[in-house]
Amino acid sequence: GAVVSQHPSWVICKSGTSVKIECRSLDFQATTMFWYRQFPKQSLMLMATSNEGSKATYEQGVEKDKFLINHASLTLSTLTVTSAHPEDSSFYICSARDPGTNSGGTGELFFGEGSRLTVL
Amino acid sequence: AQSVTQLGSHVSVSEGALVLLRCNYSSSVPPYLFWYVQYPNQGLQLLLKYTSAATLVKGINGFEAEFKKSETSFHLTKPSAHMSDAAEYFCAVSGGNQFYFGTGTSLTVIP
Repeated sequence: GAVVSQHPSWVICKSGTSVKIECRSLDFQATTMFWYRQFPKQSLMLMATSNEGSKATYEQGVEKDKFLINHASLTLSTLTVTSAHPEDSSFYICSARDPGTNSGGTGELFFGEGSRLTVL
Repeated sequence: AQSVTQLGSHVSVSEGALVLLRCNYSSSVPPYLFWYVQYPNQGLQLLLKYTSAATLVKGINGFEAEFKKSETSFHLTKPSAHMSDAAEYFCAVSGGNQFYFGTGTSLTVIP
């Protein structure tokens, strides 16, 4: 099946620094990728939809200047947490749909392995 | 609009016992429904999906789910729990290009 890879898996940074997380679709081209945030013992919260070649679409309440998303190619989307603070510590997960299987919305989402961000 | 509700945030079963994780959906159009499993510090892995074909869907690791339109349900079952089934399980409904996830059910398997 399709594979989505995320890097890094773990990152620890100091407060005030910026952190970039990469999401790659390894064997298909993804015009759209999704970024989620997951708090401990909770469900996934959709942060934004990353669109190749255009601006990301952010969910209500998500600061677009805080969470910069770039979808530079059909296989790569990046999430940059700018000026990170301890409250940004979380598990961030990306996903993408394989357009070859997405017929009328039936295609499944393929998820990256997730990135655990800890801000000291 | 689409949404799913997972009843029971925590479920504990004995090893070898039946696993039943509940999911009810709300959808204004014929739904596409999914069950995902998440192990600690990992992404989500698809267990199975319903896409308007057979109402009884078989997935990986011995799991299956039955789509019941009259009950708007898509409960996940496994006849005999294994220790390796301990994980977080998410039900999801697909609407257009977006997925809507339930709040998740944490499954504990007692030896």
